[in-house]
Amino acid sequence: GQQVMQIPQYQHVQEGEDFTTYCNSSTTLSNIQWYKQRPGGHPVFLIQLVKSGEVKKQKRLTFQFGEAKKNSSLHITATQTTDVGTYFCAGGYGQNFVFGPGTRLSVLP
Amino acid sequence: GEEVAQTPKHLVRGEGQKAKLYCAPIKGHSYVFWYQQVLKNEFKFLISFQNENVFDETGMPKERFSAKCLPNSPCSLEIQATKLEDSAVYFCASSPLANTEAFFGQGTRLTVV
Repeated sequence: GQQVMQIPQYQHVQEGEDFTTYCNSSTTLSNIQWYKQRPGGHPVFLIQLVKSGEVKKQKRLTFQFGEAKKNSSLHITATQTTDVGTYFCAGGYGQNFVFGPGTRLSVLP
Repeated sequence: GEEVAQTPKHLVRGEGQKAKLYCAPIKGHSYVFWYQQVLKNEFKFLISFQNENVFDETGMPKERFSAKCLPNSPCSLEIQATKLEDSAVYFCASSPLANTEAFFGQGTRLTVV
């Protein structure tokens, strides 16, 4: 079946440093979504990318969708302690989404 | 309502007992999804519905798990004869259309002892 890989599994950064998580699919995706889950919380939708090569920005967050629609990345500039949580990508295959294993981000003040 | 409501928040069951979880999707949302999140954080897709019809059930362990979404009732996920490995947080999500943003509930933490 479809599989979505995500790296790194964990990332510890000092506040103010940048952070990037990468998402990869073995097959072409129809679209990709990104979610953030705070510790003890539920996933919250961040964004959806649909077009090949698409780049979207939300304040300090930059999302990219690869040209081949097989990979995606989320980059956070100048992390803050409020960025702590697990970031999941969810790859769209037709009508279904498959979640990646997530990248857990911790930010040291 | 404007948020996905899941009940109960916590559920403790002895091994072999039945567990039933409920989810009220956001009004007007046609799609409902159930996911299982275990301690490793990975989300396992269980089942999805389009209105009251099963849309995709490829993730369901069918021998013990069943789910329904009936009109004018909360959706439900039932586990017969729970096992220790069923201990997890079960999330329900709804979305207005296929391939759009999913809104997650707060989850039900099931502990099987």
